[in-house]
Amino acid sequence: EAQVTQNPRYLITVTGKKLTVTCSQNMNHEYMSWYRQDPGLGLRQIYYSMNVEVTDKGDVPEGYKVSRKEKRNFPLILESPSPNQTSLYFCASRREGSYNEQFFGPGTRLTVL
Amino acid sequence: AQSVTQLDSQVPVFEEAPVELRCNYSSSVSVYLFWYVQYPNQGLQLLLKYLSGSTLVKGINGFEAEFNKSQTSFHLRKPSVHISDTAEYFCAVSYTGGFKTIFGAGTRLFVKA
Repeated sequence: EAQVTQNPRYLITVTGKKLTVTCSQNMNHEYMSWYRQDPGLGLRQIYYSMNVEVTDKGDVPEGYKVSRKEKRNFPLILESPSPNQTSLYFCASRREGSYNEQFFGPGTRLTVL
Repeated sequence: AQSVTQLDSQVPVFEEAPVELRCNYSSSVSVYLFWYVQYPNQGLQLLLKYLSGSTLVKGINGFEAEFNKSQTSFHLRKPSVHISDTAEYFCAVSYTGGFKTIFGAGTRLFVKA
């Protein structure tokens, strides 16, 4: 089954404790992206990757890091989480070409205390 | 700056009534337009998309949308809604040759019995 998986689905942590949210897709998509969803703000792009070892900042990259060492994986790293990073996070992937639809993971609900 | 505006944050409607969810975008270049749906506790999935050609686009679950270039709008419609259509709907825009997709803030559709 074609899918995007994220782990964990739910995470409660404390300020300053480094964490990683994993994202994996099995569709051989070139493009992957991370979004955060906050009430009234819709989805805002954090980082995206056009292919292996090619990443770039989205609209809200502060406090986040990413890497793309393999085509299928695109982890999101919070080196020192803060309460304002409490949010619902989605990973998405698509084929090359901005006319292609994105496929979304199920989401990770992060709470930073 | 490029932006997407969804004019209604919440739309309550009775079952079997028609509904229109409004979306306007700002752009002076060629765009690709998408509507995604998010059911409770799930990721987003594609409802329909406009790439080119006929301005009336049909999607899944009986939804359709009309692209209006002069009004820079892409409103979503359904002639008769079901309880199961209760969800959040996102309008999104991407640009020819671009890497980003810009999402609107979302419209919550509540279908009442």
